[in-house]
Amino acid sequence: DVKVTQSSRYLVKRTGEKVFLECVQDMDHENMFWYRQDPGLGLRLIYFSYDVKMKEKGDIPEGYSVSREKKERFSLILESASTNQTSMYLCASTTGGRVVNEQFFGPGTRLTVL
Amino acid sequence: QKEVEQDPGPLSVPEGAIVSLNCTYSNSAFQYFMWYRQYSRKGPELLMYTYSSGNKEDGRFTAQVDKSSKYISLFIRDSQPSDSATYLCASSSYTGRRALTFGSGTRLQVQP
Repeated sequence: DVKVTQSSRYLVKRTGEKVFLECVQDMDHENMFWYRQDPGLGLRLIYFSYDVKMKEKGDIPEGYSVSREKKERFSLILESASTNQTSMYLCASTTGGRVVNEQFFGPGTRLTVL
Repeated sequence: QKEVEQDPGPLSVPEGAIVSLNCTYSNSAFQYFMWYRQYSRKGPELLMYTYSSGNKEDGRFTAQVDKSSKYISLFIRDSQPSDSATYLCASSSYTGRRALTFGSGTRLQVQP
């Protein structure tokens, strides 16, 4: 059974704190993604990675960074959390190759920044 | 303008009704079209996947893509209360980045 896990389901942080969100997949997928989901805006891509140590900016990378030191793990870092980063964060992974394949999602982390 | 537009709803129907969910897209390079279903407090799960134009049927669900009008549809027959969820359409092209572009999602409530 394919699995994407995220380190926390709920997280509460204070403005200015450094926040780490971790994602692990057990499917040996090359591609991993971080999205945020907000009401009325759907899922928006923050960053993605197509290989270990490789990363590319998505549509809304400002205020975020990522790290992929191992194939199975993709971390999202909020360098200095702000209230407008309160959101649901979703990690996803998919295989590489010549077609666009299904993305498998984790359960999400609901982050509240006070 | 968002690349994928979707009516957010909410949409409320009685059990047994036929449901039609729709999206439009603006990027002519999109070739892959997906529908994801997301239950409350869960991550999205793939429901239907189509490549290029045409229809695809899976049980009570039919996905339809009309590339000439850039229109994506999902039909649910004999809707059930267990179909109550948010439905997200998503599109991608092979060229360029591999990530999906999502619509904002339509919340569906099927009343027993």
